[in-house]
Amino acid sequence: GAVVSQHPSWVICKSGTSVKIECRSLDFQATTMFWYRQFPKQSLMLMATSNEGSKATYEQGVEKDKFLINHASLTLSTLTVTSAHPEDSSFYICSARDPNPGEQFFGPGTRLTVL
Amino acid sequence: GENVEQHPSTLSVQEGDSAVIKCTYSDSASNYFPWYKQELGKRPQLIIDIRSNVGEKKDQRIAVTLNKTAKHFSLHITETQPEDSAVYFCAASWNGGSYIPTFGRGTSLIVHP
Repeated sequence: GAVVSQHPSWVICKSGTSVKIECRSLDFQATTMFWYRQFPKQSLMLMATSNEGSKATYEQGVEKDKFLINHASLTLSTLTVTSAHPEDSSFYICSARDPNPGEQFFGPGTRLTVL
Repeated sequence: GENVEQHPSTLSVQEGDSAVIKCTYSDSASNYFPWYKQELGKRPQLIIDIRSNVGEKKDQRIAVTLNKTAKHFSLHITETQPEDSAVYFCAASWNGGSYIPTFGRGTSLIVHP
């Protein structure tokens, strides 16, 4: 299947700092990427849909000023957690849809710990 | 919007037994139903999917069935092995346009050797 990379795989930061997470589709162009947050032993919670060249679409309850998403190219989307706090600690996973043939592939995830 | 229910939340079987996980969906427009396997701390991996134009699909020990009338689909794993232990997620979506999948809550499958 298609390959989606995510960087960094883990990050520890101090409260109040900002953290940027990158998601790349390595062997296909993705006009749409998705950002999820996953708490332990829970399902994937969709945070936002990232569309290349346009503003991201955020799910209800997700602060767009807190979680900044940029989809600058067909192979790269970034999620920036601004002014991170301990409650932002979580596993963040991106995914990208390969338009041909239409499956969704996930990145390896980023474990964010805010101290 | 779409609503996906997944059962059971936990499934414990003996090695060699079969395991069945069931999902229901609410939006009759959904036409693409993937299943993902997620091991602890790792990414969800697509293991099998089915589109609405077929009722069953099989890949070695894994099969998926779809009943569009009843709006439910199931994952069947035969001859389970300890390495099948993981969390399995079903999803439903319309494979076209914006394509925003809705995931089930997940099933933790434990295969005892």
